[in-house]
Amino acid sequence: QSVLTQPPSVSGAPGQRVTLSCTGSSSNIGANYDVHWYQQLPGKAPKLLIYVNTNRPSGVPDRFSGSKSGTSASLAITGLQAEDEADYYCQSYDKSLGAWVFGGGTRLTVL
Amino acid sequence: QITLKESGPTLVKPTQTLTLTCSISGFSLNGNGVSVGWIRQPPGKALEWLALIFWDDDKRYSPSLKGRLALTRDTSKNELVLTITNMDPVDTATYYCAHRIEAAGTVGFDYWGQGILVTVSS
Repeated sequence: QSVLTQPPSVSGAPGQRVTLSCTGSSSNIGANYDVHWYQQLPGKAPKLLIYVNTNRPSGVPDRFSGSKSGTSASLAITGLQAEDEADYYCQSYDKSLGAWVFGGGTRLTVL
Repeated sequence: QITLKESGPTLVKPTQTLTLTCSISGFSLNGNGVSVGWIRQPPGKALEWLALIFWDDDKRYSPSLKGRLALTRDTSKNELVLTITNMDPVDTATYYCAHRIEAAGTVGFDYWGQGILVTVSS
């Protein structure tokens, strides 16, 4: 059971907008630690999608955006495409554990 | 161009020690501000951070596995080695090494190796 909680699954139709949540606590996201997001395609290594809450690495489409507020963070994907079907993980630091932590992951299905 | 590649045994027996090597190119392990981590993922499960080494050889380990993990680096070969003692079937996972984002004050990973699946079974 991760200290960062993500919904196990989210789905949306092509072209739609979906939001993936990452809920933490006062010992991680709420303690102002940065949140990073990763996309993992089936059978592949994770790929950095958003870093330091809101920043996109070079090459990541602007359809992907991140936000953070209080003890939670969110990843929004607009103009959903079939190629977005993947697992998405949030990551931060937890000061109580003294460890970098990942969420349990959300599987995005494009209907 | 930054690349990382994991190597090591794909099958180990319970109680054995696992030794994995991360071969790095495109940056220097002891370069200013550089850090490299290990992350694992059991089949069908979430990612789990294991360990991180900083450019000055400072090391951090996951508390849940502390005592079983050790990092060593060979700067002449630009390789990072992770050892895990007393392997158990629950340690069956794909093990990744990854380069830490070079952004001050944060740890995220922007370049990942392809991963190596390690199975623990007698």
